[in-house]
Amino acid sequence: GDSVTQTEGPVTVSESESLIINCTYSATSIAYPNLFWYVRYPGEGLQLLLKVITAGQKGSSRGFEATYNKETTSFHLQKASVQESDSAVYYCALGATNTGKLTFGDGTVLTVKP
Amino acid sequence: NAGVIQTPRHKVTGKGQEATLWCEPISGHSAVFWYRQTIVQGLEFLTYFRNQAPIDDSGMPKERFSAQMPNQSHSTLKIQSTQPQDSAVYLCASKGQGKVFFGKGTRLTVV
Repeated sequence: GDSVTQTEGPVTVSESESLIINCTYSATSIAYPNLFWYVRYPGEGLQLLLKVITAGQKGSSRGFEATYNKETTSFHLQKASVQESDSAVYYCALGATNTGKLTFGDGTVLTVKP
Repeated sequence: NAGVIQTPRHKVTGKGQEATLWCEPISGHSAVFWYRQTIVQGLEFLTYFRNQAPIDDSGMPKERFSAQMPNQSHSTLKIQSTQPQDSAVYLCASKGQGKVFFGKGTRLTVV
């Protein structure tokens, strides 16, 4: 079946440092998977951070970036300079265009120290 | 737009009792999804509806779990004879305009 593996947390970084959360995927049931990063801030629901539907393309939002790499089956999340407000749980996910059904990684807890 | 609304936010049931979880999707969204989150299994897909019709229930446990969507404005997930291993956060999501929006979840605790 489909699966997603991401950096095992927790991850702690200091404010203004760079961040990378690794994500690799295996899509056996979907020919052209869409890739997503979702985030859950404390006390809030899961929300979409960014989405890329085409291999080779990059998505970006709130200073975060991720590039859909079909060759390495990866979709790593990066940010050049994190802020304390970025502290949250980050989930990598894949899905099919026509359904919206998602397969999630286990989530990475990120804490940004002031 | 209040987003996807799930009620109750927390529910405690005794082993063997029935639990019904409610979801109100975003108005106008055609697809509704249910997921379950546990520490051991992570976020797992359970089932989904499109235009109120059940499309894929491949993630639903074969016994005791059922989901319905009687109208556009709500869906329910029912668990009969709850067991401690059913304790989890149950997430509902709806899809519209190519994006999936999640509710805050219902935390079910079976004691």
